[in-house]
Amino acid sequence: KQEVTQIPAALSVPEGENLVLNCSFTDSAIYNLQWFRQDPGKGLTSLLLIQSSQREQTSGRLNASLDKSSGRSTLYIAASQPGDSATYLCAPNDYKLSFGAGTTVTVRA
Amino acid sequence: EAGVAQSPRYKIIEKRQSVAFWCNPISGHATLYWYQQILGQGPKLLIQFQNNGVVDDSQLPKDRFSAERLKGVDSTLKIQPAKLEDSAVYLCASSLISGTNTGELFFGEGSRLTVL
Repeated sequence: KQEVTQIPAALSVPEGENLVLNCSFTDSAIYNLQWFRQDPGKGLTSLLLIQSSQREQTSGRLNASLDKSSGRSTLYIAASQPGDSATYLCAPNDYKLSFGAGTTVTVRA
Repeated sequence: EAGVAQSPRYKIIEKRQSVAFWCNPISGHATLYWYQQILGQGPKLLIQFQNNGVVDDSQLPKDRFSAERLKGVDSTLKIQPAKLEDSAVYLCASSLISGTNTGELFFGEGSRLTVL
């Protein structure tokens, strides 16, 4: 059974600082890994999908890296803004997505 | 493009009552998922459909939960009878598929259930 751990559980930074969110998973036999954002009381919004053959994927200020063999992925958010405040979840896909509890980010203005 | 639609957004019921949630996936998405998200936790997969067939329901409490996807489009998740621990957000998601490599998942806004 896939186990997903996200560290830290919560993070508070001043505006403009770069964010580094870590995700580790126990079963490296995955097809892809997806990063999501969840705002309070809302559903999940897909941020990035990184295929198992890729080392990284970028979208705007977001960059996700994947080291499948070591079971790790990292989401980088450059120049954080208050609007980035949310919970970020990673989900490796080994035919189904398994989720960690997420990292709750607060960006202070 | 319309996203994943879910209803109702909120439901409050007494324990032992029944409730049903509805989901309409993105047009053309063959795979549909129901997840349960308890406050402070990540979503947990309850059931996965491919077209109108069940791919995985290993974590669905079948004594009280049921789900169907007639005609391979929209889906209904039912809980009967509800327990206090069923209080959660029920998320529906859909994706295109290619073999066993599920593509990008898109989620609806969720249905928040409170059981009193």
